Amino acid sequence: GAGVSQSPSNKVTEKGKDVELRCDPISGHTALYWYRQSLGQGLEFLIYFQGNSAPDKSGLPSDRFSAERTGGSVSTLTIQRTQQEDSAVYLCASSLAWTGWEKLFFGSGTQLSVL
Amino acid sequence: GQQVMQIPQYQHVQEGEDFTTYCNSSTTLSNIQWYKQRPGGHPVFLIQLVKSGEVKKQKRLTFQFGEAKKNSSLHITATQTTDVGTYFCAPIQGAQKLVFGQGTRLTINP
Repeated sequence: GAGVSQSPSNKVTEKGKDVELRCDPISGHTALYWYRQSLGQGLEFLIYFQGNSAPDKSGLPSDRFSAERTGGSVSTLTIQRTQQEDSAVYLCASSLAWTGWEKLFFGSGTQLSVL
Repeated sequence: GQQVMQIPQYQHVQEGEDFTTYCNSSTTLSNIQWYKQRPGGHPVFLIQLVKSGEVKKQKRLTFQFGEAKKNSSLHITATQTTDVGTYFCAPIQGAQKLVFGQGTRLTINP
């Protein structure tokens, strides 16, 4: 696709429910990042995929959060038993690879609201 | 591990005034990137600095990389309302994962 695509753009859920957020990176991009941004705050690193390497999950805030990337392309971020503090914008970004020299392209994000 | 401080956290200026945000790392960087996020939008890449002491300009924006490659700055001359947004630095150490600074939120009084 022309850019990084995220769906849904908005998700409202009830506390305790599970949610899945999807990211479709730019075709050919092997590196994929997930970040979380609470209202008015910075970009909190969650997880990073690079090709077929094991993902860097060091930013996941709890074991309720998990992510996978199928076929080296589409990624899904799953939040189980959502809590109100999970409310935020979840941003996905991709790059050709990640050697430290490429720029990231961000999707428009998923606004998650947990009631 | 790497510690990054971006200051100030917020800056409000009158249109036409200058603006500067600073990014300071506790460790030497290989390079640094800057991104801008407009209100309600997503971060967009602005520039990458690589060399010690490097200075790059984009119209009214001037980016600098310190001699020791531990700090960087973004200076905007004569701000315009289109400059409103949050500016993030992204200090990089080789192929380590990309972690952003806290960002500087710029608001402008027209």
